[in-house]
Amino acid sequence: SAVISQKPSRDICQRGTSLTIQCQVDSQVTMMFWYRQQPGQSLTLIATANQGSEATYESGFVIDKFPISRPNLTFSTLTVSNMSPEDSSIYLCSVMLLDSDTYNEQFFGPGTRLTVL
Amino acid sequence: GQQLNQSPQSMFIQEGEDVSMNCTSSSIFNTWLWYKQDPGEGPVLLIALYKAGELTSNGRLTAQFGITRKDSFLNISASIPSDVGIYFCAGQDSNYQLIWGAGTKLIIKP
Repeated sequence: SAVISQKPSRDICQRGTSLTIQCQVDSQVTMMFWYRQQPGQSLTLIATANQGSEATYESGFVIDKFPISRPNLTFSTLTVSNMSPEDSSIYLCSVMLLDSDTYNEQFFGPGTRLTVL
Repeated sequence: GQQLNQSPQSMFIQEGEDVSMNCTSSSIFNTWLWYKQDPGEGPVLLIALYKAGELTSNGRLTAQFGITRKDSFLNISASIPSDVGIYFCAGQDSNYQLIWGAGTKLIIKP
């Protein structure tokens, strides 16, 4: 498995500001993902973070709103830009290990709980 | 986006009872995963299923991958207080992306 940490664990932000969330993994991983989980809801994939190239965004999510960086195989950031109260959610980093032992299992970080006032 | 049909939405059970929940899909998946999420935490993988018809156990948890690859169930035997949480099923598509169920909230009555 992989140990994933996220910073910050929670934050309260003002409307119109931006927040950058960090995700650190204890081993090199091939695939990293960013999810959003709105209160009482299931998880929604925002984008796949690609190392050395632009992230791949899902329908409904755009780079200007959620810029993502992935400078190496163990670290990624997600920025929530120009925040509004509708952005209040838990943001989760996830990684997938591509090897025969784990058969592409996906592991999650503890999440960042964001509240926008 | 696409979502799996997960039921029930919530369950109120007595400690010691068995629990059963299931997921269905109109699409075929190569892998089915069951996760548990505690408050303030990310989902934790419980069981992964890779072959149609596969039955896998993890302690008191048992899950099966439907023969049609379009459904799965999760059973918890002899529930205990720490089983409380939200359980999610997820199907993994050919691009390794996860399609999620809406979750089953498990509550144990005192």
